Amino acid sequence: GENVEQHPSTLSVQEGDSAVIKCTYSDSASNYFPWYKQELGKGPQLIIDIRSNVGEKKDQRIAVTLNKTAKHFSLHITETQPEDSAVYFCAVTGGGADGLTFGKGTHLIIQP
Amino acid sequence: DSGVTQTPKHLITATGQRVTLRCSPRSGDLSVYWYQQSLDQGLQFLIQYYNGEERAKGNILERFSAQQFPDLHSELNLSSLELGDSALYFCASSVAPATGRNGNTIYFGEGSWLTVV
Repeated sequence: GENVEQHPSTLSVQEGDSAVIKCTYSDSASNYFPWYKQELGKGPQLIIDIRSNVGEKKDQRIAVTLNKTAKHFSLHITETQPEDSAVYFCAVTGGGADGLTFGKGTHLIIQP
Repeated sequence: DSGVTQTPKHLITATGQRVTLRCSPRSGDLSVYWYQQSLDQGLQFLIQYYNGEERAKGNILERFSAQQFPDLHSELNLSSLELGDSALYFCASSVAPATGRNGNTIYFGEGSWLTVV
């Protein structure tokens, strides 16, 4: 089955700096790559997604890049703010599977 | 608010018992997914239903079962509970079954915290 590796497990950045979280996947047939943000006591919330026919997608301070050849994709958050502190999960699907396979998550800490 | 409703929010029960978790998908969504989140295993896909029929199975134990009713709400039944079943159980929904298809996004509920003592 699909295997998703996510790094780092914890990331601490100064407020205003950028944060980058990376994921690799194993199934070359995967074609959908969402990112979810989970705050304490809440469910995962979709923040951005990208499909395999696109290399990059941006939404205000958040961007995702995809390298299908290398089978990795990354989440970029610029001008980080305190409310960006949360756990971020990458996920992968496609290639015949309907359910999402998640990475282990990255705890992002924004230092004031 | 994602529009996916889960009940109960918190549940404490004893080993060996059986519980039922309930989920109402977003209005218009036909597909329902169940996920388990624990500290050591992360978010694990359990099972998916589409318009009342089982669509895909993940890492769901034989002690667990689920169904989706004609009104599209879903229930996850957990029986012969063990301490290791303590986790956060999420329901999610989407319009269509194949998340890889264009425009089909999965939305998660707030989860049901299950504690087995």
